[in-house]
Amino acid sequence: DQQVKQNSPSLSVQEGRISILNCDYTNSMFDYFLWYKKYPAEGPTFLISISSIKDKNEDGRFTVFLNKSAKHLSLHIVPSQPGDSAVYFCAASARRGGGADGLTFGKGTHLIIQP
Amino acid sequence: DAGITQSPRHKVTETGTPVTLRCHQTENHRYMYWYRQDPGHGLRLIHYSYGVKDTDKGEVSDGYSVSRSKTEDFLLTLESATSSQTSVYFCAITLKWNTEAFFGQGTRLTVV
Repeated sequence: DQQVKQNSPSLSVQEGRISILNCDYTNSMFDYFLWYKKYPAEGPTFLISISSIKDKNEDGRFTVFLNKSAKHLSLHIVPSQPGDSAVYFCAASARRGGGADGLTFGKGTHLIIQP
Repeated sequence: DAGITQSPRHKVTETGTPVTLRCHQTENHRYMYWYRQDPGHGLRLIHYSYGVKDTDKGEVSDGYSVSRSKTEDFLLTLESATSSQTSVYFCAITLKWNTEAFFGQGTRLTVV
């Protein structure tokens, strides 16, 4: 039973446009959500996070939106740049307990930025 | 840079042999984790540690054991490697429980 789902295995976006990556979760005990970026042959790199008490968090070109009622979050990248081409993982945790230990990850979305 | 070093970075081993992967951190963080990444599965937690000699199982712990005798080192052991354990293994640390994890560069393990 997959608790964190990224339903788009890949996404192609033109340079300079907005990239929107989506993530759904099923465990209502999750209260902290994160996005990671991963290049081949490297470890995942933390991008941005959001607590369940917020519905938006912004850091430079990256914004994460959380819709708790829909159990959905999204990562917006504006404007998209060639260096953004990577695999993006959505992750969730239950800091107050009641969920799995550690972070629960989605399967990832491969973002390709076209010149 | 979270000061995490994994060794070895690549290893090929034969089925049935024991294998130990090492994770070393320089920042004295309490929480350490081992994940594996496989195509179609994202990253899955194998074991974690919340202090010296304090460890527990994650989602996919069968066939793995861990040890943490010093704060800075977290070892992952495959007692008898199988082909299903061919994977990329990542060590991670967190500053607080279940918050942002910072990952090492990974170890690519191939069991033949």
